[in-house]
Amino acid sequence: QSALTQPASVSGSPGQSITISCTGTSSDVGGYNYVSWYQQHPGKAPKLMIYDVSNRPSGVSNRFSGSKSGNTASLTISGLQAEDEADYYCSSYTSSSTYVFGTGTRVSVL
Amino acid sequence: QVQLQESGPGLVKPSQTLSLTCTVSGGSISSGSYYWSWIRQPAGKGLEWIGRIYTSGSTNYNPSLKSRVTISVDTSKNQFSLKLSSVTAADTAVYYCARNSYGFLYFDYWGQGTLVTVSS
Repeated sequence: QSALTQPASVSGSPGQSITISCTGTSSDVGGYNYVSWYQQHPGKAPKLMIYDVSNRPSGVSNRFSGSKSGNTASLTISGLQAEDEADYYCSSYTSSSTYVFGTGTRVSVL
Repeated sequence: QVQLQESGPGLVKPSQTLSLTCTVSGGSISSGSYYWSWIRQPAGKGLEWIGRIYTSGSTNYNPSLKSRVTISVDTSKNQFSLKLSSVTAADTAVYYCARNSYGFLYFDYWGQGTLVTVSS
C-alpha cells in the first residue's frame, strides 16, 4: 500500500484559512468515509483532530473541519493561530483491513 | 482515562529481533471491543502503520512488513507486544502504540512513543 499524498508544507498568516489535501485511491480514501486527521507537535504523539471525514472529537476547536470529494480528503483550519503550527497527517482505512497514513504536511504560521 | 505506555530496548543490533511492549492502564485490555495497533515514525519522516490485534487475538499487518511482524496480547498483564525480526537501520524509528474501538476506524489514544535505534 502506498502512502496517501499530502503537500509537504502549507503556510498562512494568523486569522487566515488554510486547506491541506490528502489524495488516495478508491481502495482507501475514495472507498470509505473513514478518513481521520492527526496533529503532531515536535517530540509529541499525534493527536486526533478529525475522524470519519468530518467529525471533531470532543475538545477539538471548531476551527478544524474536514471534507472529502472522490479520492481526495481535505482538512481546513480557519482563523489560523500560532498554536496550529505543527505537522498534520491524514489516515484512511483500506480495503485490505489495514491503515495507510499520508506523507504529512508541515503547517507554518507566518 | 485510558493510558498507553511503550517499553523495550532502545538499541537493537542489525539482523536481530526488535521487541516492544505496550502497557494499558485505566481500563482492561480485554474489556470492550478494541483494536490495539503499532505505528512507527522514522526521524523526520511520516507515520507508518505496522499492524493491529483485536481483543480476540486476531491480527492484521501492513503488507510491506507482514513477513517480519508478530503482534500478540497478554491479557493477564494488560499488555500487547510487537516483534519485528531481521531488523536493519531502516527500522530505526519512534514506535507508538495506539487504540481504536471496534467499528471506529481512527486512533483515539496513543502512547508517548519510544525510540528504537538499530545499530551495531
